Amino acid sequence: EVQLQESGPGLVKPSQSLSLTCSVTGYSITSNYWGWIRKFPGNKMEWMGYISYSGSTSYNPSLKSRISITRDTSKNQFFLQLNSVTTEDTATYYCAREIPGDYWGQGVMVTVSS
Amino acid sequence: DTVLTQSPALAVSPGERVSISCRASEGVNSYMHWYQQKPGQQPKLLIYKASNLASGVPARFSGSGSGTDFTLTIDPVEADDTATYFCQQSWNDPPTFGGGTKLELK
Repeated sequence: EVQLQESGPGLVKPSQSLSLTCSVTGYSITSNYWGWIRKFPGNKMEWMGYISYSGSTSYNPSLKSRISITRDTSKNQFFLQLNSVTTEDTATYYCAREIPGDYWGQGVMVTVSS
Repeated sequence: DTVLTQSPALAVSPGERVSISCRASEGVNSYMHWYQQKPGQQPKLLIYKASNLASGVPARFSGSGSGTDFTLTIDPVEADDTATYFCQQSWNDPPTFGGGTKLELK
């Protein structure tokens, strides 16, 4: 069974970087596309970007200057880094397989606050 | 970006049929997908590419539409269907989501 699990700090200070890990079991990240999506308080959802089976990436233009998605195929993990965060980056962050996402992690709530 | 517009909320009685709409600001071909999300849980894919039932999803759920107007139908509605339903398009870049429709049961 394909399973995804996000991990990372729940609290980040403004202007710092947010770093999250998505650990995948039951399926290799060298196949398919693997993405990050976030849900803001109030329900708005935003697709952030993905890393492909080959390691190529695609990002939402609204985040392009701040976002990086990388991977470690030996650990079957992929990562999100979002730089220069503000309080507006407070959200629940999900990792998912493919678009549309057929498998999702449980999500991790990240608060940006001093 | 492509804006997807959904009604904020609907209330129906168990056993009834409900249709949840999603209107796109520009054409998305058939690349519209539907998710169900319950509080504290991750989204669950229900329908992909407008009308295809995702694996393990009951046949009570169906999808229709193309271009800019899409509908998710639940028939009959069951108590467990209380949730927020999101549409997502992946035809235009970047992929975007609707604001969600909260379905409540009377």
